[in-house]
Amino acid sequence: KQEVTQIPAALSVPEGENLVLNCSFTDSAIYNLQWFRQDPGKGLTSLLLIQSSQREQTSGRLNASLDKSSGRSTLYIAASQPGDSATYLCAVTPTVRGGETSGSRLTFGEGTQLTVNP
Amino acid sequence: ETGVTQSPTHLIKTRGQQVTLRCSSQSGHNTVSWYQQALGQGPQFIFQYYREEENGRGNFPPRFSGLQFPNYSSELNVNALELDDSALYLCASSTGTDQETQYFGPGTRLLVL
Repeated sequence: KQEVTQIPAALSVPEGENLVLNCSFTDSAIYNLQWFRQDPGKGLTSLLLIQSSQREQTSGRLNASLDKSSGRSTLYIAASQPGDSATYLCAVTPTVRGGETSGSRLTFGEGTQLTVNP
Repeated sequence: ETGVTQSPTHLIKTRGQQVTLRCSSQSGHNTVSWYQQALGQGPQFIFQYYREEENGRGNFPPRFSGLQFPNYSSELNVNALELDDSALYLCASSTGTDQETQYFGPGTRLLVL
């Protein structure tokens, strides 16, 4: 059974810091890994999607890396801003089996709650 | 805005009652997934519907059931509500291929008293 763990559970940093959020997963048979952002009481916003064949993806100040063999991913946020305050979740999609539509069920970690202080 | 809408936004029920939550998929998406997110936890996969058929189910009892309609909108029904069913219920739509990102709605917050 796939398990996804995120460290740290919570993080508080001053504005302007560069920071790293960690995600680990127990089963390396993944199709892709995604990082999401969730604001309090809201739905999820996809930030970055990394296919299993890729090593990293970048979007603006965000960079996500993937090391499938070791079961790890990191989300790097450069020059953090108060508007980055949210919970960050990583999720993995299992490998597609054969030609069937396996369904894109995601297994999520419990998230890292980030607070960026002005 | 993802184009995925859910209703209602909030709901209060009592133990033993039944509830129906609704989700309208993003245009062009034929797959919808439902997730339950308890407070302080990551979302847990409930089930997925692809072209009106259930296409995978997580570790949830049969009192959690769903429907997908020809226009690809969807319902989640929960019977015999329990206190532990209190959570944020999220639906996500996609085109059904694993390469695609799932687009999440804002969720329905259910409180069971």
